[in-house]
Amino acid sequence: EVQLLESGGGLVQAGGSLRLSCAASGFSFSSYAMSWVRQAPGKGLEWVSGISDRGGSTYYADSVKGHFTISRDNSKKTLYLQVNSLRAEDTAVYYCAKSGDSDFWSGDGMDVWGQGTTVTVSS
Amino acid sequence: SSDLIQPLSVSVALGQTARITCGGNNLGSKNVHWYQQKSGQAPVLVIYRDKNRPSGIPERFSGSNSGNTATLTISRVQAGDEAEYYCQVWDSSIAHYVFGTGTAVTVL
Repeated sequence: EVQLLESGGGLVQAGGSLRLSCAASGFSFSSYAMSWVRQAPGKGLEWVSGISDRGGSTYYADSVKGHFTISRDNSKKTLYLQVNSLRAEDTAVYYCAKSGDSDFWSGDGMDVWGQGTTVTVSS
Repeated sequence: SSDLIQPLSVSVALGQTARITCGGNNLGSKNVHWYQQKSGQAPVLVIYRDKNRPSGIPERFSGSNSGNTATLTISRVQAGDEAEYYCQVWDSSIAHYVFGTGTAVTVL
């Protein structure tokens, strides 16, 4: 079964850091680009960051550039998001999602999603 | 601008057809994807590249894209189709994914 399982969320004070993880199973993880998408309480979906199949290309939303870092370990079939200098507006459910291609330029969608991990930033 | 505008809500009677629009500058030149998100659940891809259905998605879901508007059509609407629906594109000019504002579909 194709599956993504996020972990690492929690309650953190403003200015703190967390490392989110996403463990993949059931597909050839190293062949696909991956993304992080977040959803603040009661709000819509916001793409946060993406990484190509081998990690050579990374992309960030303007709202997180400079304080989030995406990475992946293909040998462990795991995607990561290092979130630093957290602010109240970073409070959200964070989903990882698999793309349909090795990078994003073909314009494929996100065909597999995890159930999300919740990050709550207290001020 | 990379904004994707959707109606806030769409109401449709059981068994009828729901149409959800997604508006953006020159959207017809991009690949549009659609996601369904039921309350408390992760999003699910229902249409990719304008009009293609992933395996397991009913034929009742269809898509089109032309000019500045993409449309998701749900035929013979069922109670289980009640959800929030989001359009999405990869905007190559800024190397970002962009999501639409989201549309809540209510089945009457």
